[in-house]
Amino acid sequence: DQQVKQNSPSLSVQEGRISILNCDYTNSMFDYFLWYKKYPAEGPTFLISISSIKDKNEDGRFTVFLNKSAKHLSLHIVPSQPGDSAVYFCAARYYGQNFVFGPGTRLSVLP
Amino acid sequence: DAGVIQSPRHEVTEMGQEVTLRCKLISGHNSLFWYRQTMMRGLELLIYFNNNVPIDDSGMPEDRFSAKMPNASFSTLKIQPSEPRDSAVYFCASSLGDHNQPQHFGDGTRLSIL
Repeated sequence: DQQVKQNSPSLSVQEGRISILNCDYTNSMFDYFLWYKKYPAEGPTFLISISSIKDKNEDGRFTVFLNKSAKHLSLHIVPSQPGDSAVYFCAARYYGQNFVFGPGTRLSVLP
Repeated sequence: DAGVIQSPRHEVTEMGQEVTLRCKLISGHNSLFWYRQTMMRGLELLIYFNNNVPIDDSGMPEDRFSAKMPNASFSTLKIQPSEPRDSAVYFCASSLGDHNQPQHFGDGTRLSIL
């Protein structure tokens, strides 16, 4: 019973193009969402967050969009770079509870 | 500016042996999380401490697993006796504050139980 789903285990994108990573959740009480990036043999690194009071948050090449009615968020990376190749985890929580992580999507940016 | 430090990075041991994983928090952080990552179940929260006190241990799989924070900067996760199904990568993470803040992860301990 996964509360946070990332239905694409992997994604390949050409360098310079846009990468779109998707995340769906089932718990409508979730109010804060994070994206983490993980390189092999390293721990996940925090990338960007969004609160449920917003529908968009930008940080440089990274933008997260939240659609509360669809219980869906997405991470856009533009332009994609080879160094972006990693596993991306979506995480969600509601206030007072711990974060629940999705299974991750492996992004490969091809030169 | 040291991050979360975990040791050992790799551990290979025979089933039945006791395993101790160690974690040093980022200085000043007061929340500590232990996670387990497997192919089947992804990243699962095992236990969460705030100000050295265990707040949520509902993710600890069995009594064979125990975690402690003997002081504000250090934690251990112990498995006794270990079993092959405990093989996974174990991550420790810390944050300043409570659930609201993004967590800073260590590089993990890859545990293999033969």
